[in-house]
Amino acid sequence: NAGVTQTPKFRILKIGQSMTLQCTQDMNHNYMYWYRQDPGMGLKLIYYSVGAGITDKGEVPNGYNVSRSTTEDFPLRLELAAPSQTSVYFCASSTGFGGNEQFFGPGTRLTVL
Amino acid sequence: QKEVEQDPGPLSVPEGAIVSLNCTYSNSAFQYFMWYRQYSRKGPELLMYTYSSGNKEDGRFTAQVDKSSKYISLFIRDSQPSDSATYLCAMSDSGGSNYKLTFGKGTLLTVNP
Repeated sequence: NAGVTQTPKFRILKIGQSMTLQCTQDMNHNYMYWYRQDPGMGLKLIYYSVGAGITDKGEVPNGYNVSRSTTEDFPLRLELAAPSQTSVYFCASSTGFGGNEQFFGPGTRLTVL
Repeated sequence: QKEVEQDPGPLSVPEGAIVSLNCTYSNSAFQYFMWYRQYSRKGPELLMYTYSSGNKEDGRFTAQVDKSSKYISLFIRDSQPSDSATYLCAMSDSGGSNYKLTFGKGTLLTVNP
């Protein structure tokens, strides 16, 4: 199993550009998450999904959108990129909430200039 | 008061030392307590999980939860250079917010040979 994969690994965007961060998991997990990690700040939840077609906002959803058309894929869309969105983005998946282990991807490092 | 407080360090110890990492929290509804380990430029991975109060041991690692004091700890015995990483505490409740893991900022640990 590849686990959780993310593409691209790195990206530089100009202010106002848009992009999609891809996330795929092969563990048949229903629950998927997007986090951002700023230096020294821990992880903040952006969006999460409990299954195909069902998504909801986390703590910091502004400036982002998600979709979940399949169990495997959970892309994150950035519209009108801003310098405040410079961060490392992690996708994760799990079998449930609460104490269930979340499996993280390797991350995408995004810089907005 | 932040929901989860974690001393970011950095912490530098010699090989073989006992390491103590700690988090305090304010939300008495938290029931699930986790420690994630994150190597440089990688995604976090679950290291230890504890439900409610008590201790859990796994090899050189011991996790302790004291719900009365709202305090959790991770002890690493006989620390090794391979333990050098950022350690993130994470917590979740069992109620309506159990979709969300609340992370500490992380403590950067370096074990020197």
